[in-house]
Amino acid sequence: DTAVSQTPKYLVTQMGNDKSIKCEQNLGHDTMYWYKQDSKKFLKIMFSYNNKELIINETVPNRFSPKSPDKAHLNLHINSLELGDSAVYFCASSQVWEAAGELFFGEGSRLTVL
Amino acid sequence: QQQVKQSPQSLIVQKGGISIINCAYENTAFDYFPWYQQFPGKGPALLIAIRPDVSEKKEGRFTISFNKSAKQFSLHIMDSQPGDSATYFCAAPLITGGGNKLTFGTGTQLKVEL
Repeated sequence: DTAVSQTPKYLVTQMGNDKSIKCEQNLGHDTMYWYKQDSKKFLKIMFSYNNKELIINETVPNRFSPKSPDKAHLNLHINSLELGDSAVYFCASSQVWEAAGELFFGEGSRLTVL
Repeated sequence: QQQVKQSPQSLIVQKGGISIINCAYENTAFDYFPWYQQFPGKGPALLIAIRPDVSEKKEGRFTISFNKSAKQFSLHIMDSQPGDSATYFCAAPLITGGGNKLTFGTGTQLKVEL
């Protein structure tokens, strides 16, 4: 039974389109995150939610909008996709604040913008 | 912007050899230093972490060495095996303008050859 699951695993789309990635965790954690991993494998936090409230919002274009319908789900919607958005997006969750304890990552959603 | 500097970028080790990956950081919010391991097509997973009231932590073949005065820490993999081939990330809870965040190093691709 997957702890952090995200869908879809692969997304291929055209520039200008809108797409969403969904994430669910069954670990009972209060905090969830979105990370972006670029082609050089650099991992950077985008958003952090604690119990459905936005805690961290890095300098991410406002075309990216996270939504947390409940504390087990954190979705990412991206408007007007650009070539530079191509990356692997990871959802993660943690029992405590991410800088203090273990992060549990999903398997990633590879987004390719053509 | 504060960073976690990780080296080397890539590493090739013979089976049975010792793999050493180094990280250096700036100012941390507190002392918690994890290492994450990522296999191709998977999300990162916590490998080992240290809260440095000690200078070293060992779990099986994996050891973290920590030098607080130098603000450096390293991962040693003893008796490296082909199954250890993966990308390794160090991380540190850096103090940033946007709050305290777990910041990842740039990653080290380890290949263990037979």
